[in-house]
Amino acid sequence: QVQLVESGGGVVQPGRSLRLSCAASGFTFGNYALHWVRQAPGQGLEWVAILSYDGSHKSYADSVKGRFTISRDTSQNTLFLQMNSLRAEDTALYYCARQHTSDWSSLAHWGQGTLVIVSS
Amino acid sequence: QSALTQPPSASGSPGQSVTISCTGTSSDVGGYNYVSWYQQHPGKAPKLMIYEVSKRPSGVPDRFSGSKSGNTASLTVSGLQAEDEGDYYCNSYAGSNNRYVFGTGTKVTVL
Repeated sequence: QVQLVESGGGVVQPGRSLRLSCAASGFTFGNYALHWVRQAPGQGLEWVAILSYDGSHKSYADSVKGRFTISRDTSQNTLFLQMNSLRAEDTALYYCARQHTSDWSSLAHWGQGTLVIVSS
Repeated sequence: QSALTQPPSASGSPGQSVTISCTGTSSDVGGYNYVSWYQQHPGKAPKLMIYEVSKRPSGVPDRFSGSKSGNTASLTVSGLQAEDEGDYYCNSYAGSNNRYVFGTGTKVTVL
């Protein structure tokens, strides 16, 4: 069965960097697009970034463009989110999610999230 | 890249129906048939309930249905049950270099 396990969250000072990981299992990693979605405490969902199934295309929300980088290591079946120049408003639970089997646009499988707190 | 607009709350008694709207623009909801809906219970990850406007993933009850007209998509939950309580979010493909946008979220209460 599909499993996504995020890690790497923690408390970090404003302006510093953090790298999140998402370990995937139960499916062929290179066949599906993967997303990062975040949720600030008590707030709604915010789409953050996508990496296409073949790794050739990346796209970002305006709020993180130029600061965050999505990437993957297919040998380790792991998705990453490199977060630089962190701000207080980046504080959130970060989920990785996989596209649906037959619909590339929806997020059918989600991890449990990793919490990032940006605070001095 | 503004969030799609949803009503903050909706409610209904057990057995009744509730409909949640999701309003965007011609650049997202109105421009593509790639609207999906997610249910989220407190402390849990979101769950896909509807994809491509009106399709249900395997395992989602047929009490859940989706539709779209112009720039507004809708999710209807018929025959409300206690377990349907939670937060619901719409999401749309927004083109413009493969971007996506979520709705503001709606809290559904079963009275």
